[in-house]
Amino acid sequence: TAGITQAPTSQILAAGRSMTLRCTQDMRHNAMYWYRQDLGLGLRLIHYSNTAGTTGKGEVPDGYSVSRANTDDFPLTLASAVPSQTSVYFCASSGTGDNSPLHFGNGTRLTVT
Amino acid sequence: GQNIDQPTEMTATEGAIVQINCTYQTSGFNGLFWYQQHAGEAPTFLSYNVLDGLEEKGRFSSFLSRSKGYSYLLLKELQMKDSASYLCAPLDSNYQLIWGAGTKLIIKP
Repeated sequence: TAGITQAPTSQILAAGRSMTLRCTQDMRHNAMYWYRQDLGLGLRLIHYSNTAGTTGKGEVPDGYSVSRANTDDFPLTLASAVPSQTSVYFCASSGTGDNSPLHFGNGTRLTVT
Repeated sequence: GQNIDQPTEMTATEGAIVQINCTYQTSGFNGLFWYQQHAGEAPTFLSYNVLDGLEEKGRFSSFLSRSKGYSYLLLKELQMKDSASYLCAPLDSNYQLIWGAGTKLIIKP
């Protein structure tokens, strides 16, 4: 089934450790996004990429980095995790056109202890 | 600033009709999306409005009034599987989505 695959599904991480959340899509979408979702808050954009080779900062980029070496993959790295990064992380992609809806992966539930 | 206002939670009865309202204030406007999100799952696209008026899609309809900064999602013939959160997300002048916290809809038999 075409779509977005995120890995891992969940993870418990010790504070200070690094981790990369993986995201792969097979829809050949140019734009990809990383969001975090916390209880009581709307989805918040961490980083985005409009096309392979380019990335941009979203609303809450501090403590996170991304790369976009090709169209399909958009990994999110936490260099040194802190408890406030405990959240559910969603990767998403969208096709061309301003009204193209986002397609989301199933999310990664991260707990930083 | 940019702001989205939706009720936190609503309850409705199976088979009934429910309207979920969303008011927004954004820097510019380029359309508004509604997404459905079941607990523990990813959001999925429901509708997109860019012009004033009602867009109907099966049991779900979405309405937009740009002058009032207002949208609603109308769900008819409610089913238990409609229990979910409904997220309102307008596009601002930079084509960035501004997400509301969502409305949790509880359907009772």
